[in-house]
Amino acid sequence: LAKTTQPISMDSYEGQEVNITCSHNNIATNDYITWYQQFPSQGPRFIIQGYKTKVTNEVASLFIPADRKSSTLSLPRVSLSDTAVYYCLEDSSASKIIFGSGTRLSIRP
Amino acid sequence: EPEVTQTPSHQVTQMGQEVILRCVPISNHLYFYWYRQILGQKVEFLVSFYNNEISEKSEIFDDQFSVERPDGSNFTLKIRSTKLEDSAMYFCASKVAGEDTQYFGPGTRLTVL
Repeated sequence: LAKTTQPISMDSYEGQEVNITCSHNNIATNDYITWYQQFPSQGPRFIIQGYKTKVTNEVASLFIPADRKSSTLSLPRVSLSDTAVYYCLEDSSASKIIFGSGTRLSIRP
Repeated sequence: EPEVTQTPSHQVTQMGQEVILRCVPISNHLYFYWYRQILGQKVEFLVSFYNNEISEKSEIFDDQFSVERPDGSNFTLKIRSTKLEDSAMYFCASKVAGEDTQYFGPGTRLTVL
């Protein structure tokens, strides 16, 4: 079972770019790297998924180096509404999701 | 946009009582899940359900827990005899076949006194 490590918390200011890095110990060759977001008092929500190099969508970018031992979630020009917990998944399959410990991101004005 | 819904939003019960948490998954989804989140902790997998049977369950999902899809729309989680440590947010999720993304409901906050 793949384990992940990510910072417990991060602080930033509105308008800044935020990068959250996750280490992926023992990631399997066929595993994708997936991030979820959880706003206060809400259920988790899928943000982005990738296998290698870079993936970008309307919410974030995901950078994955060639060795795939880490990934970096990048949030461009954050706003107060980006305050949330960001989870790098330890495992994702048809039968379950195993969430990492999460990074609590706080955005200040 | 279709959403997973859960009722009630908050349930308060006495220790030893039975509770049933209800979920209405997204209509064309075939895979259903329950997760829990103890206050201040990460989201934990409880059970997955597909084709009217449990696909996988975690160590947390012991004999006190059961799931059921009583009709074509509802998916329930029953806790037979609640304990203080069952106090948590319980999230239902569903997904469509062939995709990885799970869609989560807003949760039910269970408080056991």
